[in-house]
Amino acid sequence: SQTIHQWPATLVQPVGSPLSLECTVEGTSNPNLYWYRQAAGRGLQLLFYSVGIGQISSEVPQNLSASRPQDRQFILSSKKLLLSDSGFYLCAWSAGTSRYEQYFGPGTRLTVT
Amino acid sequence: AQKITQTQPGMFVQEKEAVTLDCTYDTSDPSYGLFWYKQPSSGEMIFLIYQGSYDQQNATEGRYSLNFQKARKSANLVISASQLGDSAMYFCAMREWNQGGKLIFGQGTELSVKP
Repeated sequence: SQTIHQWPATLVQPVGSPLSLECTVEGTSNPNLYWYRQAAGRGLQLLFYSVGIGQISSEVPQNLSASRPQDRQFILSSKKLLLSDSGFYLCAWSAGTSRYEQYFGPGTRLTVT
Repeated sequence: AQKITQTQPGMFVQEKEAVTLDCTYDTSDPSYGLFWYKQPSSGEMIFLIYQGSYDQQNATEGRYSLNFQKARKSANLVISASQLGDSAMYFCAMREWNQGGKLIFGQGTELSVKP
């Protein structure tokens, strides 16, 4: 069966510091991968998605970036965090089927101080 | 314009009763999919049910059913026989065929089940 991992689970970082969040998927190959951010009490905002290694599409211009160095690894980064980057970050994967339902990781709660 | 609208920020239901969570959507793409997710307080997003735009019958998954009214562009989630563990945020989402696998989420409805 497929599983998706994210780490760290929680992170407290000062403004201006770098960020690296990692997501890995097991049990499937060539998944579509997604990064979402959820502000407190709000819906999910798609940040990046990837259909293959090195293929990244950005949905929202911001100081975040994403990379996919391996088929089942998706990384979210920032060189300098802003207060507004605080939130709950969720990684998801989907198979290339007609339904495309997405399965989510446990999330990373980021607080920028 | 909002593509997915969930008009109920919060809902209460008595244990063992049924509850309907509303979702309306807006798209000009004739091919699309509709999804419901549950997010408990732990934060994980749990996939519940899927309805394709060409599906003739309403989707059902155990105690969950999706009341799909295509002409009205609504995709309401019905939970039968509510349980205390159903207390959570519920999100409606849509995928448009011409947008690949990207999902657009509504703002969510917080459901509280009373004993």
